[in-house]
Amino acid sequence: DAGVIQSPRHEVTEMGQEVTLRCKPISGHNSLFWYRQTMMRGLELLIYFNNNVPIDDSGMPEDRFSAKMPNASFSTLKIQPSEPRDSAVYFCASSLGQGIGEQYFGPGTRLTVT
Amino acid sequence: GESVGLHLPTLSVQEGDNSIINCAYSNSASDYFIWYKQESGKGPQFIIDIRSNMDKRQGQRVTVLLNKTVKHLSLQIAATQPGDSAVYFCAENIGGSYIPTFGRGTSLIVHP
Repeated sequence: DAGVIQSPRHEVTEMGQEVTLRCKPISGHNSLFWYRQTMMRGLELLIYFNNNVPIDDSGMPEDRFSAKMPNASFSTLKIQPSEPRDSAVYFCASSLGQGIGEQYFGPGTRLTVT
Repeated sequence: GESVGLHLPTLSVQEGDNSIINCAYSNSASDYFIWYKQESGKGPQFIIDIRSNMDKRQGQRVTVLLNKTVKHLSLQIAATQPGDSAVYFCAENIGGSYIPTFGRGTSLIVHP
């Protein structure tokens, strides 16, 4: 298995631009998580999907952030408009079952907003 | 253990030594714990887990100890190798919650 796949691996954009991050979970996993990692705040859960349905988005910082999971093999995290404080590494993770247990993380997308 | 501010606590050891990484968790209702390893430029990787009805669990070269009385978790790595150099996170799940709470991490540096 290729593991969780994320694209792009690096993204540099200007403030105000739209950014779309992509994730392909491990086949057969039915839980998907988006995280953000910064030195200041550590690893923060943004949103959790189970069976393609958003279950908890309380970690999404504000309306500029949105996430979708149109099918079991694809999810997107969109930031519009982006701001310099959104600069971070964004991870997607997937797991079997309801989310308790081992999560498999992707390699992350390093986002820099100038 | 846990950290505040910008700098992670760091543990430096010599190759071949045993390492102990500590984590103080926050919620007495937490009933499931995981240790993750994150190498530079990569996502966190599962190492070992433990449920609250256990106080010790062993894996290959790793042992996790859980002390619920003082809400403390530790990861012991035997015969530490340079490839063990990474940031180690503990994560706790509270009472069946699907949302893990991650600690800030500890940086382990193994000197050859």
